[in-house]
Amino acid sequence: QLVESGGGLMQPGGSLTLACAASGLSIRNSYMSWFRQPPGKGLEWVSVLYSGGIAHYADSVKGRFFISRDKSNNTLYLQMNGLRAEDTAVYFCAKGGARNSWTPWGQGALVTVSS
Amino acid sequence: QSALAQPASVSGSPGQSLTISCTGTSSDIGRYNDVSWYQQHPGKAPQLVIYDIRDRPSGVSDRFSGSKSGDTASLTISGLQAEDEADYYCCSYTSDSTWVFGGGTKVTVL
Repeated sequence: QLVESGGGLMQPGGSLTLACAASGLSIRNSYMSWFRQPPGKGLEWVSVLYSGGIAHYADSVKGRFFISRDKSNNTLYLQMNGLRAEDTAVYFCAKGGARNSWTPWGQGALVTVSS
Repeated sequence: QSALAQPASVSGSPGQSLTISCTGTSSDIGRYNDVSWYQQHPGKAPQLVIYDIRDRPSGVSDRFSGSKSGDTASLTISGLQAEDEADYYCCSYTSDSTWVFGGGTKVTVL
């Protein structure tokens, strides 16, 4: 399973790092992504990290968010800088599966950006 | 990348079938078979129900089926049950090496 942590209330312009701890599965040779879902709205893909280290980002977070992984503790991270009100959302991590699908997903971590 | 187009809501009676459409472009659904569908109950994480247009993960009911024609993918739920009431999202890989979701469809079992 995947378990996110690190969410909370942040002021605009602040920084926050989310963690996604994997248990019972290895992220070492997997591709992993972060997604987000603003309150009452739909899902949005945020970022992907491939096993070789290549990362891609949605235009809405490019240059502000950075995805990384620690293979030794089987954990995925999302460093979020320059937070904006529109970044307020539940953030989910998920493991890449067959044909660019995503399963399983973590339970989500709420990030609220407000002054 | 614009969101894929899904109807906001669909409804059906128990036992009936319903279909949710998902329309994209030649840069996503029209170009790749990497189309997946996710079920999300309120307050829960999304769960994969269809991948590769029409394949079901282990454990997913065969009442769920998928298809694609051109730039449009579809999810059909047969023999509708109360537990199927949820939000459903389509997702496609894109030519930008990103992923795009539909806006979501709320399924109501009458």
